[in-house]
Amino acid sequence: DTGVSQDPRHKITKRGQNVTFRCDPISEHNRLYWYRQTLGQGPEFLTYFQNEAQLEKSRLLSDRFSAERPKGSFSTLEIQRTEQGDSAMYLCASSLMIYQPQHFGDGTRLSIL
Amino acid sequence: AQSVTQLGSHVSVSEGALVLLRCNYSSSVPPYLFWYVQYPNQGLQLLLKYTSAATLVKGINGFEAEFKKSETSFHLTKPSAHMSDAAEYFCAVSDHGSSNTGKLIFGQGTTLQVKP
Repeated sequence: DTGVSQDPRHKITKRGQNVTFRCDPISEHNRLYWYRQTLGQGPEFLTYFQNEAQLEKSRLLSDRFSAERPKGSFSTLEIQRTEQGDSAMYLCASSLMIYQPQHFGDGTRLSIL
Repeated sequence: AQSVTQLGSHVSVSEGALVLLRCNYSSSVPPYLFWYVQYPNQGLQLLLKYTSAATLVKGINGFEAEFKKSETSFHLTKPSAHMSDAAEYFCAVSDHGSSNTGKLIFGQGTTLQVKP
């Protein structure tokens, strides 16, 4: 069990630029989740994949956000035309079954200049 | 819809004292409940889980939690605090009812400070 891996750990970019984050879940886990965490708050759900299918998206996920999970393995989260309000920690988690705990990566911290 | 409320955004205890972090939930279906711990600039680490088995759940690092349906509570306790327990603690409920995705709904978190 190598754990959930996220890359990069930190991303600093200028407002208006596009950014992409990657998540590698635990290999046998077919469920993959993205969350966003702002300072002093609990994580908030963004989107969920079961294998390669994106089955739910939060209202937090505006049109500037897109996520993919090709072939049901790693996942990417892209933010286009970044805004100041996008500054947050983006967390990825995976699990095997619905009643089993989600395992989290260390997150990608996004800072918008 | 599921929701979680953590009472007390900051809790301060002395080393060796009892730790009690409060969590109340709301769920339209029998809940799956979790406690996670987060250290600075890291992801969340699972402390323990309740998935409708024993109501007293033991987790890692000496933590335990008791599920009380009548009080809709899932408070986290540890008999004796250690300096290394200082961190942010999150209670979460799984959404396995309406959407059936298993997404987690988190409370706002409680910062635990341990004084020497």
